[in-house]
Amino acid sequence: DVKVTQSSRYLVKRTGEKVFLECVQDMDHENMFWYRQDPGLGLRLIYFSYDVKMKEKGDIPEGYSVSREKKERFSLILESASTNQTSMYLCASTGPHPGQETQYFGPGTRLLVL
Amino acid sequence: GQNIDQPTEMTATEGAIVQINCTYQTSGFNGLFWYQQHAGEAPTFLSYNVLDGLEEKGRFSSFLSRSKGYSYLLLKELQMKDSASYLCAVSGYSTLTFGKGTMLLVSP
Repeated sequence: DVKVTQSSRYLVKRTGEKVFLECVQDMDHENMFWYRQDPGLGLRLIYFSYDVKMKEKGDIPEGYSVSREKKERFSLILESASTNQTSMYLCASTGPHPGQETQYFGPGTRLLVL
Repeated sequence: GQNIDQPTEMTATEGAIVQINCTYQTSGFNGLFWYQQHAGEAPTFLSYNVLDGLEEKGRFSSFLSRSKGYSYLLLKELQMKDSASYLCAVSGYSTLTFGKGTMLLVSP
């Protein structure tokens, strides 16, 4: 079974703090994704990565950056957290080949920025 | 651009059948996913349709018509545990685009 883990289930931070959300997958997947999920807006893609040290902007990258130093780990960084970044953050991974399109999600991190 | 529509909420009775529709207009299309998401949990994979037609998997079936930009998820013999949000997602060139989800409430 694919396992995707995220560093925290719940996180409370203050405005202006730097926040790191970490995601690790154990299936040797090339592709990893970060989403945020908000009521009425659904899942929106923030950033994704096809390989180590590679990153691509998704639909809503503003205010976020990412890091992929190792294949199994994909980090989402909020350089200076703001209250509008309060959300559920979900990480996902897939393999690179046809037939491996299914995205497997981590349990999510619910972030509250005060 | 990407546009995916699905109803916001649906209600049904235990033991019944419910059909959740999804229409899409996307610039690229490789296939269509359905995910289930219980409150406070991560989405879990239900089905993936690439070709037109119906795919059946136990109590759940998914249908795709690429020419009409239309899919549905059919849930039979509803159980209380089927109360969840159901997400339709289109696989494009390199990423998934999700609909806003349909909250299904199953009552006794």
